[in-house]
Amino acid sequence: AQSVAQPEDQVNVAEGNPLTVKCTYSVSGNPYLFWYVQYPNRGLQFLLKYITGDNLVKGSYGFEAEFNKSQTSFHLKKPSALVSDSALYFCAVNYGNMLTFGGGTRLMVKP
Amino acid sequence: DTGVSQNPRHKITKRGQNVTFRCDPISEHNRLYWYRQTLGQGPEFLTYFQNEAQLEKSRLLSDRFSAERPKGSFSTLEIQRTEQGDSAMYLCASSLGEPNTEAFFGQGTRLTVV
Repeated sequence: AQSVAQPEDQVNVAEGNPLTVKCTYSVSGNPYLFWYVQYPNRGLQFLLKYITGDNLVKGSYGFEAEFNKSQTSFHLKKPSALVSDSALYFCAVNYGNMLTFGGGTRLMVKP
Repeated sequence: DTGVSQNPRHKITKRGQNVTFRCDPISEHNRLYWYRQTLGQGPEFLTYFQNEAQLEKSRLLSDRFSAERPKGSFSTLEIQRTEQGDSAMYLCASSLGEPNTEAFFGQGTRLTVV
């Protein structure tokens, strides 16, 4: 069975600094990996995905993620954080017919 | 609005009552998913449909839960004899069906059982 771990419940970063939100996965075979963001009282919004090919994937709002097969990781990154990036971030793996989500990481960007 | 639509947005019900939620997916999407999310947790898979066929159900989906997608378009999720533990956000999502395609989520229905 597939699983996703987000080891940090919360990440704090100052506006303008780079940010990283960590994700590791466990799945047999080649994974399809996703990042979603959730703002208060909103549904999940798709940010980016890794299917195959280039290990660095670019997505919405300036976010990118780096796939590392040997470390089974798919960390979310952004070079310069904005206060408006503060939200709940979920990593997910699709293997078979459903998305399996991590527990989420709350990103707090302080002015 | 061409996104995934869920109704109602909020539902408060007394323990033991039945509730039904509706999801209207993006029109060209043939897959429809239901997830449950409790506060501070990631969404948990409940069930999914390929067109009108319900192809997979989680063990989380007790016999009090039933989902339908009668014409392969909108879907309903019914919870019978609600319990306080059913209080959660119920999320619907749709996708084009291939595992490498992203799912689009609705805003969810927040259920509170009192």
